[in-house]
Amino acid sequence: AQSVTQLDSQVPVFEEAPVELRCNYSSSVSVYLFWYVQYPNQGLQLLLKYLSGSTLVKGINGFEAEFNKSQTSFHLRKPSVHISDTAEYFCAVTEYTGGFKTIFGAGTRLFVKA
Amino acid sequence: GAVVSQHPSWVICKSGTSVKIECRSLDFQATTMFWYRQFPKQSLMLMATSNEGSKATYEQGVEKDKFLINHASLTLSTLTVTSAHPEDSSFYICSARRGTSGYLSYEQYFGPGTRLTVT
Repeated sequence: AQSVTQLDSQVPVFEEAPVELRCNYSSSVSVYLFWYVQYPNQGLQLLLKYLSGSTLVKGINGFEAEFNKSQTSFHLRKPSVHISDTAEYFCAVTEYTGGFKTIFGAGTRLFVKA
Repeated sequence: GAVVSQHPSWVICKSGTSVKIECRSLDFQATTMFWYRQFPKQSLMLMATSNEGSKATYEQGVEKDKFLINHASLTLSTLTVTSAHPEDSSFYICSARRGTSGYLSYEQYFGPGTRLTVT
């Protein structure tokens, strides 16, 4: 992937409201798409992935994402967030060009307010 | 399955000393492991890719002699920060890719990270 852009650095939202975290990428080859969540002082946990097949993928904790090839986007959504969803979310794109290369977005801080 | 551990989780060392961080794949064989560095409130920056039994491939701008990476077995990779300085203080995260073919090989499994503080 040439680049991965997470359009929002911070997203504040009230508890039980829906949320969308946006991710766009640019690449000249086929890509595989991932969303990860990171809690403070922890590693990354895979939320969901798109490798092939249905463009709407469901992950853990009620999250889902839709791969839109024409818009080169992979936005993450959740219909109703909880306080415990407060964390950093990273979009990542893996492409194979003679070897696997993964590029991460800058991250989006989701802050869920009571 | 697909668990990656790191040790230690947190280390403080004095400037000028070296520190070794271990990354282990606990329940799978990892032909490829990656080392990332993460500064506060920033994304992951790939430092190097290591393949079992061969020399690591470092990203541009990463000092090979300062960040020594060894991938001696299919379940263990180590990162040694030599002659550490305060600017090396960071959160270091490793990840591993399964040695299988097909779509499973596109996934990375991440360790919990190691917080390094150099005083």
